[in-house]
Amino acid sequence: GEDVEQSLFLSVREGDSSVINCTYTDSSSTYLYWYKQEPGAGLQLLTYIFSNMDMKQDQRLTVLLNKKDKHLSLRIADTQTGDSAIYFCAECSGGYQKVTFGIGTKLQVIP
Amino acid sequence: NAGVTQTPKFQVLKTGQSMTLQCAQDMNHEYMSWYRQDPGMGLRLIHYSVGAGITDQGEVPNGYNVSRSTTEDFPLRLLSAAPSQTSVYFCASSSLDRENTEAFFGQGTRLTVV
Repeated sequence: GEDVEQSLFLSVREGDSSVINCTYTDSSSTYLYWYKQEPGAGLQLLTYIFSNMDMKQDQRLTVLLNKKDKHLSLRIADTQTGDSAIYFCAECSGGYQKVTFGIGTKLQVIP
Repeated sequence: NAGVTQTPKFQVLKTGQSMTLQCAQDMNHEYMSWYRQDPGMGLRLIHYSVGAGITDQGEVPNGYNVSRSTTEDFPLRLLSAAPSQTSVYFCASSSLDRENTEAFFGQGTRLTVV
C-alpha cells in the first residue's frame, strides 16, 4: 500500500533556507504535493509536481523529486516567521484523486 | 466563493451519542472526502465519494457512515460516538480533472468524545 514518511520537526533561523524531506513508497504515484497547515486551519496547497518532473520552482519554493529513490523535498528560501506551520507531503496514485498524506513536519522559524 | 464549509467547528459528545458533521462545497467538485487528523498520525482517509450516489471506504471507515445525495454535500455520520473518535475532522473536495489536482480543505471540526 501507499506510505508517505517525513520527519516531525524542523527549526530554522529567519532568513535561512528550510528543507523539508519526504519519502514515499508507491512507484505509481502521479502527483506529489506539499500542503501547508497553519494553526487552527485546514490544509492549503503550496505546490505540486508531476512524477515525470525533477524540479519545480515557484518564487521562494523549490520542489525536488528523485523518482528513483522516491524522495521529495521542499526548499523554502529566505524563510520568514510567517512560514511557521505544519507542512504535509502527499502523493496521489491510481484514480479518483485518492491522496495519501505524511504525518506532517512542523517548521519553527526562529526570529 | 465559500469553498468548502464545515460545521460545526467544535463539538463535544458523550459516548454513545450520534451526530452528523456537515460538509458543503460550492465549486461543483466531483470528488469529496473526509479525513481525521490525529497527533503523530497525519491525515487518514475515512470515506470518499467520486460523485452523487457513489461513496467508498478509505483507510479508517469503521464507526462512520457517509452519503452523497447531491454534488454539494457530503455529511459524515457518527452513529455511536466513542472516545477513540476524538479528533479533528477535515472535509476536502477536488475536481476529477487530472489537470487540476488541488484539493480544497474545510477549516476542520474539532470533536471531543467524553
